[in-house]
Amino acid sequence: GAGVSQSPRYKVTKRGQDVALRCDPISGHVSLYWYRQALGQGPEFLTYFNYEAQQDKSGLPNDRFSAERPEGSISTLTIQRTEQRDSAMYRCASSHRTGGGGYTFGSGTRLTVV
Amino acid sequence: AQSVTQLDSHVSVSEGTPVLLRCNYSSSYSPSLFWYVQHPNKGLQLLLKYTSAATLVKGINGFEAEFKKSETSFHLTKPSAHMSDAAEYFCVVSDSYYVGATNKLIFGTGTLLAVQP
Repeated sequence: GAGVSQSPRYKVTKRGQDVALRCDPISGHVSLYWYRQALGQGPEFLTYFNYEAQQDKSGLPNDRFSAERPEGSISTLTIQRTEQRDSAMYRCASSHRTGGGGYTFGSGTRLTVV
Repeated sequence: AQSVTQLDSHVSVSEGTPVLLRCNYSSSYSPSLFWYVQHPNKGLQLLLKYTSAATLVKGINGFEAEFKKSETSFHLTKPSAHMSDAAEYFCVVSDSYYVGATNKLIFGTGTLLAVQP
């Protein structure tokens, strides 16, 4: 596609429910990143894929968070048993090469846990 | 560890006057540095990037930034502010230029730029 597409744009969920956030990167982009941005803060790194391989998941806050990119294209970030503190903007970005390239960010998914 | 510090959380300028958004970085390596802009309810847009080529980097919309190693700074400037420049600006450092780098971005806390008519 022309840009990085994220869905849904907005998600409101009840505490304790699981959510899945989707990222469709630019076609042919090798690297895919997930970031989380709390209100009034800069984005923070969560995890990173090269093709289908998860290269770095050091930013995932706990084991309720997981991500996959099974075919090296679309990625899903899953949050299990959501808590209110998970409320944030979740941003996906992709890059055409594995190092040194610039990113293209999607518009994000605004998650609100009530 | 790498980090960036944005020295001002809010900056207000009048339309037509210069813009200066300050950023200091900390890095054990020769860093890659970026400025991103975020307009309300929009995604993050890359303004410019420094990757060890020319120290004065020109970006989109008339913005530029100068890499000063001696001062560990990467301040963003624009000669004349426009109303459409009102947004949040993030200074960013990346670990992209060493073996094993993940190319993950480390964001500053942001500077909110207001432009008064």
